Amino acid sequence: ETGVTQTPRHLVMGMTNKKSLKCEQHLGHNAMYWYKQSAKKPLELMFVYSLEERVENNSVPSRFSPECPNSSHLFLHLHTLQPEDSALYLCASSLNAGGLEQYFGPGTRLTVT
Amino acid sequence: QKEVEQNSGPLSVPEGAIASLNCTYSDRGSQSFFWYRQYSGKSPELIMSIYSNGDKEDGRFTAQLNKASQYVSLLIRDSQPSDSATYLCAVSYTNSGYALNFGKGTSLLVTP
Repeated sequence: ETGVTQTPRHLVMGMTNKKSLKCEQHLGHNAMYWYKQSAKKPLELMFVYSLEERVENNSVPSRFSPECPNSSHLFLHLHTLQPEDSALYLCASSLNAGGLEQYFGPGTRLTVT
Repeated sequence: QKEVEQNSGPLSVPEGAIASLNCTYSDRGSQSFFWYRQYSGKSPELIMSIYSNGDKEDGRFTAQLNKASQYVSLLIRDSQPSDSATYLCAVSYTNSGYALNFGKGTSLLVTP
């Protein structure tokens, strides 16, 4: 248990659905991250929030929309996804943004049908 | 293109042996280095961080950093079957903002 929780753990959605992934950290950290992990590929950073402000957006399609209402919670809103978006979506947090140890949640296994 | 390279394996070692995992990186400006362990179907778990040249030991794990040669390694002593997992190397670059750049990972199999 790393102190980072994610819900749901598994999600199957159609291409026309709208869903949200939730992440919560109980570590008192100030930075939170969304990563995508696909088979045979390195982890890909999607978004970084520092003190609720988005500080990095790595050319992620607009069908992924992050939200960070406070430093403990992070959401990833999904709409009109494609089958190639099926992957493990991981949330992580660190004390501050930039070069510090990041602690991952258990992930959400997303399947787009 | 800042790259982190790892041999995908699988690296097979007998129980009780030393497992040696290697990682090279492309940017000399790299400052922070991390090793994560990821079991199949699970999320990455941080096991070691290292910031300066030399060795850092934590239990059965030793991380080694050589910035001149641009490599970082992880040694696992007295390997156990429970160490069988994929080991991810992550590097923080000086000018990359907030990103950790991950390698694809090395699969380790410890055989009884």
